[in-house]
Amino acid sequence: GENVEQHPSTLSVQEGDSAVIKCTYSDSASNYFPWYKQELGKRPQLIIDIRSNVGEKKDQRIAVTLNKTAKHFSLHITETQPEDSAVYFCAAPLGAQKLVFGQGTRLTINP
Amino acid sequence: EPEVTQTPSHQVTQMGQEVILRCVPISNHLYFYWYRQILGQKVEFLVSFYNNEISEKSEIFDDQFSVERPDGSNFTLKIRSTKLEDSAMYFCASREYNEQFFGPGTRLTVL
Repeated sequence: GENVEQHPSTLSVQEGDSAVIKCTYSDSASNYFPWYKQELGKRPQLIIDIRSNVGEKKDQRIAVTLNKTAKHFSLHITETQPEDSAVYFCAAPLGAQKLVFGQGTRLTINP
Repeated sequence: EPEVTQTPSHQVTQMGQEVILRCVPISNHLYFYWYRQILGQKVEFLVSFYNNEISEKSEIFDDQFSVERPDGSNFTLKIRSTKLEDSAMYFCASREYNEQFFGPGTRLTVL
């Protein structure tokens, strides 16, 4: 089955700097890769996703890159702000159904 | 914008008691899911449901768990005899295409 590894588990950056979170997956059939942001006690919220037919997608300060050959994808947040502090999860689908989540990265933005 | 809703937001129960967690998926979605998240850990898949039947379930989803779509709008998760280790946040999710939309969760505390 699908196995998703996420690194780092914690990340602390200065406000205004960039943050990068990386994930690897095992199922070569996976073709959709979402990133979720979860604030304390709240639901996971989709912030960006990418399909396997593109290598990069950008939405304002957030971007995701995908390397299908190496089976890894990364989240990039530029010009970080205090409200970016949260836990971020990558995920990959197994088959057509469930999402398999990474372990999560606790991102802290220091003012 | 339509959202997945869940009730109750918090459920406290005694070990061995039955609980029913309720979800109202987004109305035109056809795929429904239950996930759980133990405090401080990643989101874990429990079960997926499509066309009025379970399409996949995880090892966690044993005989103590069941799901039902009793009418055209609700989607329920029942735990027959709760254990201490069932304490977690339970998220319902639904999708039409790739993106899974999560509900706000039910925090289940088993005493």
